[in-house]
Amino acid sequence: SQTIHQWPATLVQPVGSPLSLECTVEGTSNPNLYWYRQAAGRGLQLLFYSVGIGQISSEVPQNLSASRPQDRQFILSSKKLLLSDSGFYLCAWDGGGTPTEQYFGPGTRLTVT
Amino acid sequence: AQSVAQPEDQVNVAEGNPLTVKCTYSVSGNPYLFWYVQYPNRGLQFLLKYITGDNLVKGSYGFEAEFNKSQTSFHLKKPSALVSDSALYFCAVRAALSSNTGKLIFGQGTTLQVKP
Repeated sequence: SQTIHQWPATLVQPVGSPLSLECTVEGTSNPNLYWYRQAAGRGLQLLFYSVGIGQISSEVPQNLSASRPQDRQFILSSKKLLLSDSGFYLCAWDGGGTPTEQYFGPGTRLTVT
Repeated sequence: AQSVAQPEDQVNVAEGNPLTVKCTYSVSGNPYLFWYVQYPNRGLQFLLKYITGDNLVKGSYGFEAEFNKSQTSFHLKKPSALVSDSALYFCAVRAALSSNTGKLIFGQGTTLQVKP
């Protein structure tokens, strides 16, 4: 069966510091991968998605970037964090093809101080 | 633009009673609809989806949802609520990004509180 991991689970970082959040998927190959952000425990917004290694698309302009160095690894980064980057970051995957559900990781709670 | 609305911030129901969490959508083309549940500080868990076919969709944990095209609704239901059903529920519609990918557009979520 497929599983999705995210780490760290929680992170407290000062403004201006760098960021690296990691997501890995097991039990599948060539997944579509997604980064969402959830603000204030409510609605989610898609930040980035990737259909393959090195292929990254951004949905919204922001202080963040994403990379996919391996087939099942998706990384969210920032060079300098802003207070507004605080939130709950969720990674998700799907197998592509016909409209299918996305499966979410456990999330990373980021607090920028 | 595609959108999802969950008109209730919170739904309160007594254990053993039926529950309904409302969702309406606006899409261009065929609607692909999903329900997810989120427990505190956890990721989202997939409950069920409507792609095509029967308007009544059955999912995990005894949940079901009714697709109504004329009312553009996709309400989540359960015949008998459990205290453990208390959580945050999200309705989502899939918007195509390409022929092989799609993003989920989420409603703002509805908190379900089931009281013993």
